[in-house]
Amino acid sequence: AQKVTQAQTEISVVEKEDVTLDCVYETRDTTYYLFWYKQPPSGELVFLIRRNSFDEQNEISGRYSWNFQKSTSSFNFTITASQVVDSAVYFCALATGGFKTIFGAGTRLFVKA
Amino acid sequence: DTGVSQNPRHKITKRGQNVTFRCDPISEHNRLYWYRQTLGQGPEFLTYFQNEAQLEKSRLLSDRFSAERPKGSFSTLEIQRTEQGDSAMYLCASSPAGAPMNTEAFFGQGTRLTVV
Repeated sequence: AQKVTQAQTEISVVEKEDVTLDCVYETRDTTYYLFWYKQPPSGELVFLIRRNSFDEQNEISGRYSWNFQKSTSSFNFTITASQVVDSAVYFCALATGGFKTIFGAGTRLFVKA
Repeated sequence: DTGVSQNPRHKITKRGQNVTFRCDPISEHNRLYWYRQTLGQGPEFLTYFQNEAQLEKSRLLSDRFSAERPKGSFSTLEIQRTEQGDSAMYLCASSPAGAPMNTEAFFGQGTRLTVV
């Protein structure tokens, strides 16, 4: 079975704090892709990152960084020095063979000024 | 605006009525997806088109649901005899041809359906 678990339903931080969003996935496939998407209040999902299962290098993009660990089936997302504009729902997702992408339930992030 | 466009943005309908939603993907994208998102949940895959061919369909897509992409450009999603459980956000996404399988998809803003 394929599954994505985002255990944190809501997180609230004060601006400039660092915050980590957790994602744990399950799949028996050896080839798969992991994604993070952001869903602001306007509703559209905005792509943030894609990793394939053979690339465990961590990635940093500005204030965003991702930690992929196959040993623990985790793909965590950290926002450094959070800003109010980071407030949104963040989804972790898994894609294997075929064209179906499985999303987690999302983590709602509130960043207070 | 060259993003994925969905119409209408909101639809309120009475139970038992039929509704149709439209999605216009990014013009050079040959892959098109429909997802459904209920409150507090992540999007759930409904169906996938490559050009005009519907290649994959979720078990979530009951007989009351039908999707088409007749000319490989825009797509429509129709729900017949709507039920209150159909109330959700319906998201459309597209991705380009030639990209690796399961590349990132570009999402529209969705159509929020409320069945009363």
